[in-house]
Amino acid sequence: QVQLQESGPGLVKPSQTLSLTCTVSGGSISRVGYYWTWIRQHPGKGPEWIGNIYYSGSTYYNPLLRSRVTFSVDTSKNQFSLNLNSVTAADTAVYYCAREDTVTTISFDYWGQGTLVTVSS
Amino acid sequence: QSALTQPPSVSGSPGQSVTISCTGTSSDVGSYNRVSWYQQSPGTAPKLMIYEVNSRPSGVPDRFSGSKSGNTASLTISGLQAEDEADYFCNSYTSSSTWVFGGGTKVTVL
Repeated sequence: QVQLQESGPGLVKPSQTLSLTCTVSGGSISRVGYYWTWIRQHPGKGPEWIGNIYYSGSTYYNPLLRSRVTFSVDTSKNQFSLNLNSVTAADTAVYYCAREDTVTTISFDYWGQGTLVTVSS
Repeated sequence: QSALTQPPSVSGSPGQSVTISCTGTSSDVGSYNRVSWYQQSPGTAPKLMIYEVNSRPSGVPDRFSGSKSGNTASLTISGLQAEDEADYFCNSYTSSSTWVFGGGTKVTVL
């Protein structure tokens, strides 16, 4: 059973960089056909896809956030990370990491529990 | 990319059926069968309920079913049970090679 767990600061100051890491267990992050994804959900809203990264390091970002977001992957630790710079209060949300399955279900088949990040001084 | 449109809430009595709609455009729902549905209970990770419009992952009860017509996808819960009370949101692949989600629908079991 694949499990994902987000970690990182729950409070970030405006204009600073939000950094989160997702640790994957129960399966290799290097498995072919799976894309590692960040999704966020503002309070009371539907989720927003931020983008994904493949184990090779190739990335695809939401055009609306592309100028501020960077993903990285560490296959040796089975982890991938999100950096979102120049944050404002509008970036306050629950951030989820998830696995996009392009092999079987063509969907997000496993999700982390989510971590609330608040942007405030 | 605009979010997919879902009704804020639906409700039904135990044993009844409820249907949640998810309306997109010809650039997402209307063009791809990569439509999925997720169940989200407070404080828990979203759970995949339906993928590729109408397929169920192993372990999801067959009272959950999905369909699509034009730019609108639907999730139907037949034989509603108390444990089905949760938020549900839809998701679709888009022509921009991104993914878009619905705003979510709260299902209440009366």
